[in-house]
Amino acid sequence: EAGVAQSPRYKIIEKRQSVAFWCNPISGHATLYWYQQILGQGPKLLIQFQNNGVVDDSQLPKDRFSAERLKGVDSTLKIQPAKLEDSAVYLCASNVHTDTQYFGPGTRLTVL
Amino acid sequence: SQQGEEDPQALSIQEGENATMNCSYKTSINNLQWYRQNSGRGLVHLILIRSNEREKHSGRLRVTLDTSKKSSSLLITASRAADTASYFCATEETGANSKLTFGKGITLSVRP
Repeated sequence: EAGVAQSPRYKIIEKRQSVAFWCNPISGHATLYWYQQILGQGPKLLIQFQNNGVVDDSQLPKDRFSAERLKGVDSTLKIQPAKLEDSAVYLCASNVHTDTQYFGPGTRLTVL
Repeated sequence: SQQGEEDPQALSIQEGENATMNCSYKTSINNLQWYRQNSGRGLVHLILIRSNEREKHSGRLRVTLDTSKKSSSLLITASRAADTASYFCATEETGANSKLTFGKGITLSVRP
C-alpha cells in the first residue's frame, strides 16, 4: 500500500512570496489533515477535510493560508504572502474511519 | 493549543536499557496515541489506548493510561539505537471528531 505523498520536500522562499504544497493521501482515505510543525514543537492541526468538505479549520490563519480538496482526493495548501514565522514543516496525514493517522514525509519550508 | 505535555523533554539511555516517557493532558479524551518521528521524517503511529483501557502492549512497547490522573506512560523495553527519535503523545478529546492534539515531544537518544 502506497503511503501519503507530499511535494515538494523542501522549499525556500522570500517573505511576502507565495508557496503551495501538495498532498496525495492513501487511496480510499476520506479524511485528510494538514499540520504545521515548528522546530522543537509537536504538530498543530491547520485544517481537516472529510472528503472534500472542511471539518475543522479553527487554527488556520485564514488571512494568508488557504487549502482545498476539490475532488475529495488530493489536496493543496497555500500560503500567500508568507511570513518569517511560517518557517516550519508542513505535514499531511490521512485516515479512514480508524483512529490512526498516517503521515507523509512533510515539506520543510524556510522563509527568508 | 497543546493538550499533551510530555516528560522528560529529553532522555538519553544506553542500548538495552528501558525508556519510560510520560504524558499528561487536561480534558476528557476518547483515546491517547503515541507517535514516533525520526529526524527529518513524518510521524509514525506506535500505539493507541482508549479511555476505557488501562494498559496495552505491542512488541517492546507498553502503554498505560490513568484517566483519573489524566496521564499516560510509554515504556520501551530493551532499547536499541534505532529507537533514537522524538516521541509524541496525542489526544483525541471527547467529541473532537478524530482531531488530535499533540504535545511538544520527547527526544530519546539511545547510545550504542
